[in-house]
Amino acid sequence: SQQGEEDPQALSIQEGENATMNCSYKTSINNLQWYRQNSGRGLVHLILIRSNEREKHSGRLRVTLDTSKKSSSLLITASRAADTASYFCATDRTGANSKLTFGKGITLSVRP
Amino acid sequence: GAGVSQSPSNKVTEKGKDVELRCDPISGHTALYWYRQRLGQGLEFLIYFQGNSAPDKSGLPSDRFSAERTGESVSTLTIQRTQQEDSAVYLCASRTTGFTGELFFGEGSRLTVL
Repeated sequence: SQQGEEDPQALSIQEGENATMNCSYKTSINNLQWYRQNSGRGLVHLILIRSNEREKHSGRLRVTLDTSKKSSSLLITASRAADTASYFCATDRTGANSKLTFGKGITLSVRP
Repeated sequence: GAGVSQSPSNKVTEKGKDVELRCDPISGHTALYWYRQRLGQGLEFLIYFQGNSAPDKSGLPSDRFSAERTGESVSTLTIQRTQQEDSAVYLCASRTTGFTGELFFGEGSRLTVL
């Protein structure tokens, strides 16, 4: 079963707007990561937030983590057409030999 | 090489044939993962190698699937007697340890079973 579940499944916004994507998970985690995938390509790591962190920034990205609610959000500010891609959250579960389990992904379309 | 390398990038095969997919991880990365991604879907975990430990094979969907890794280098994923439902992109990823940190992905091997 999927550890991470993202919502919405698809998001369409205008260039310049902010995009917010959410991820929920089920078990205790060491960290949560967000990845991006352009069509037909491999995944690229965006940001990692540890279980003892609540918020993290990287450029136009802002990630929050609420371990009490087992949820995370990814905010992309001032979106660009080039941000069009699929976004996945992934969790490293507590304990050894983590599988780094991925959600089903969110398809983001940014209209120029 | 600088990144994770996968080959072939595309493979078309007939139902019933065996296929072998190859992954060259980043040098020094002890952890290596295989995932399967069906069209428009998320990533499905297949198998995980960590150093010299026994691999975690819990994601392999059937005994037609197997994978090997020599030390901390190249890995091969073998699918025997391919079926049409095996059609997918097979993604390989590596990272420095098995416990934390970002994964570095290859571009994937797209398998089409006719």
